[in-house]
Amino acid sequence: KAGVTQTPRYLIKTRGQQVTLSCSPISGHRSVSWYQQTPGQGLQFLFEYFSETQRNKGNFPGRFSGRQFSNSRSEMNVSTLELGDSALYLCASSRDSPGANVLTFGAGSRLTVL
Amino acid sequence: QQQVKQSPQSLIVQKGGISIINCAYENTAFDYFPWYQQFPGKGPALLIAIRPDVSEKKEGRFTISFNKSAKQFSLHIMDSQPGDSATYFCAASMLGNYQLIWGAGTKLIIKP
Repeated sequence: KAGVTQTPRYLIKTRGQQVTLSCSPISGHRSVSWYQQTPGQGLQFLFEYFSETQRNKGNFPGRFSGRQFSNSRSEMNVSTLELGDSALYLCASSRDSPGANVLTFGAGSRLTVL
Repeated sequence: QQQVKQSPQSLIVQKGGISIINCAYENTAFDYFPWYQQFPGKGPALLIAIRPDVSEKKEGRFTISFNKSAKQFSLHIMDSQPGDSATYFCAASMLGNYQLIWGAGTKLIIKP
């Protein structure tokens, strides 16, 4: 079966611009989580959506936002980009099993902010 | 109390050796402990997971050892191969909770 698909895979933006990243989860997976990965900070949790509702949120500024559609596809948006936003943004989907949540990650969207 | 502390940050092991990565936690409510493996250019993928009702779980060359009293768990890779070179993340979650708490990651290099 198809895995988690993230688009675009690579993108370059300049400071002050905004960016939208897309994630298509595995069919049947209703939970979608987003992570920021940088070399020095590991995996930083951004937010998680389930049934179009944000269920959990990490410690990121309001410039980072997301949403989930009725087909479970999700988008995240970063406004007013800063150099420090350069990172690999990972999306993960799961069947939503509390206490044993198995995440399936996409390959990520690598954002470079100049 | 929500943290999972992972060590070492990086590790170099000779081919055929044993790779050991350790994680420690404080919150005794954690009851699910997975390890994820990430290759360059890919997202992390679940490698192996354990619950605290067992002290060890083995899948092929990969073993999780769990010490509930010490609040520690570790990943052992036996007969380490160059193809095992990757970044490994430990994580933990609580019963009834969907969110994983992640360790900082260990970059493992297996030298041929």
